[in-house]
Amino acid sequence: GNSVTQMEGPVTLSEEAFLTINCTYTATGYPSLFWYVQYPGEGLQLLLKATKADDKGSNKGFEATYRKETTSFHLEKGSVQVSDSAVYFCALSSGSARQLTFGSGTQLTVLP
Amino acid sequence: EPEVTQTPSHQVTQMGQEVILRCVPISNHLYFYWYRQILGQKVEFLVSFYNNEISEKSEIFDDQFSVERPDGSNFTLKIRSTKLEDSAMYFCASARVASSTDTQYFGPGTRLTVL
Repeated sequence: GNSVTQMEGPVTLSEEAFLTINCTYTATGYPSLFWYVQYPGEGLQLLLKATKADDKGSNKGFEATYRKETTSFHLEKGSVQVSDSAVYFCALSSGSARQLTFGSGTQLTVLP
Repeated sequence: EPEVTQTPSHQVTQMGQEVILRCVPISNHLYFYWYRQILGQKVEFLVSFYNNEISEKSEIFDDQFSVERPDGSNFTLKIRSTKLEDSAMYFCASARVASSTDTQYFGPGTRLTVL
């Protein structure tokens, strides 16, 4: 079946530091990959997505590249801000199983 | 920007009681979902709904759960006889089309506490 393994948290960084949150997956077929973000007290918001191998999703300075050879979709940002503090979820959707399969989430705290 | 809304934001109930969680999906979306997140655990798929019937459901979605789209705008999740282990955050989501590449848009969630 489908599964997503996400870097354990919590992660604490200083403002302007480089961020990487690792995500690897197991899936049948050719999955679409997503990063969702959950700010405190809010629901899940799509951050970025990639629907085929070698695609790069990007939004708000965040990037992730769909790597089929390593079954990975790592999230990166060159310079984090305090406002990026949130929980980040990696997820996939594959074939007829349109439901999302989520990773465990990574809590990011950015200190000023 | 259109968004998915959910009510109530927090529901407290006694074990054995019925609860109905409500969602208003984005108006031109056709595919609807319920997920839940038990505190400290992963977000888990419960059920998907399309064309007024259940499309897929997980093992979690047993006979105590049901979904309905009663009036063309609301999408509800009913838990007939709540258990302590049903305490979780429940998220509704909707998507424009029935495709694994399409984005699912999530509501803010309903926190259900079963006492």
